[in-house]
Amino acid sequence: QVQLVESGGGLVKPGGSLRLSCSVSGFTFSDYYMSWIRQAPGKGLEWISYISSSSETINYADSVKGRFTISRDNAKNSLYLQMNSLRAEDTAVYYCARSQIVVRGVVTNWGQGTLVTVSS
Amino acid sequence: DIVMTQSPDSLAVSLGERATITCKSSQSVLYSSNNKNYLAWYQQKSGQPPKLLIYWASTRESGVPDRFSASGSGTDFTLTISSLQAEDVAVYYCQQYYSNPPWTFGQGTKVEIK
Repeated sequence: QVQLVESGGGLVKPGGSLRLSCSVSGFTFSDYYMSWIRQAPGKGLEWISYISSSSETINYADSVKGRFTISRDNAKNSLYLQMNSLRAEDTAVYYCARSQIVVRGVVTNWGQGTLVTVSS
Repeated sequence: DIVMTQSPDSLAVSLGERATITCKSSQSVLYSSNNKNYLAWYQQKSGQPPKLLIYWASTRESGVPDRFSASGSGTDFTLTISSLQAEDVAVYYCQQYYSNPPWTFGQGTKVEIK
């Protein structure tokens, strides 16, 4: 079955960097658009970045633009999020998300999430 | 950016009763060329990632119980749980996918048992 497993979260100081990974299985990764969506503690969902199947289209929310970089390695069935210049407000659970193959703005599968805590 | 606003923020409904959540977008999410509303609904239970319930404003995802229904067009949308079950306790989010990504969610509506 479809599985998405995030890793790489943890505690980091303000201004620091972290790289999240999402390893997927159970589907042909290279066919699907993927995203990172985050959720601050006790708060709602924020779609922060999106990458097309062949990496030709990438988008970022204004809140992370210039600081975060999404990428993927279709040969390794993996999605990444490089996070630099981290701020306290980046503290959140970060979900790896797979779009529906046709309706790309709809997420059909989510990982369990990885917690990123930015604190001194 | 398209802003999604849900109401209420929370509601308590008796088991077996109807629960209704509304979602309003700051601009229309109806695409005139295909007459589709680019609006989805998700359910998030405590400690779990969200789960897709509805897309195209009213199309139930496979496996979603038919007590969940949704309607609306343009800027005003509704999610209805016709007969609330204990397992429906969750936070519900609407999300637009009309604009260029990244897309936006409503703030969420918490549904509890009265």
